[in-house]
Amino acid sequence: SQQGEEDPQALSIQEGENATMNCSYKTSINNLQWYRQNSGRGLVHLILIRSNEREKHSGRLRVTLDTSKKSSSLLITASRAADTASYFCATRPSSSSNTGKLIFGQGTTLQVKP
Amino acid sequence: NAGVMQNPRHLVRRRGQEARLRCSPMKGHSHVYWYRQLPEEGLKFMVYLQKENIIDESGMPKERFSAEFPKEGPSILRIQQVVRGDSAAYFCASSEDIEKLFFGSGTQLSVL
Repeated sequence: SQQGEEDPQALSIQEGENATMNCSYKTSINNLQWYRQNSGRGLVHLILIRSNEREKHSGRLRVTLDTSKKSSSLLITASRAADTASYFCATRPSSSSNTGKLIFGQGTTLQVKP
Repeated sequence: NAGVMQNPRHLVRRRGQEARLRCSPMKGHSHVYWYRQLPEEGLKFMVYLQKENIIDESGMPKERFSAEFPKEGPSILRIQQVVRGDSAAYFCASSEDIEKLFFGSGTQLSVL
């Protein structure tokens, strides 16, 4: 079954604006990660937030995690055309803590117009 | 330090043929994962291997699909008697500590 679901499915903004993507999941988790995928390429790890953390920053990225609502958000500030890509959340279920298995959502396609 | 290497980049097979997808993990990584991605969808977990062992194959179809990660050489995902529904992008990832995954560029399998 699908663990993570991103919202919105697609987002189009102007360069310089902020982009917010949301992710919801169903089971208890050890951590939640966000990945980025450029068209036709593999995924690149962006940021990891553990279940006991509420917020994390990395450069222009800000991630929040609300385990009571089983949701996370990824904020990209001051977006650039080069941020155009698909963004996926991935969860590591507590039941898979010793296997390393990640469950990916469907992704949000972000387009940043110059 | 080279990244995760997958080959071939594109693979075309006719129905009924075999497909072999190769993945060389990053140096020092002993954990390998295979994922499948259909167009406009997220990645679906297939199998997780450590050297010479399959740890979790809960996402692998029971028939026609197999995976290995031998002591020497790359990890291989093998699909026997391919069907059109097997057409997808297959991604390999490796990790050092089962936390952050490093992905290869994928193999696009097309079944005619």
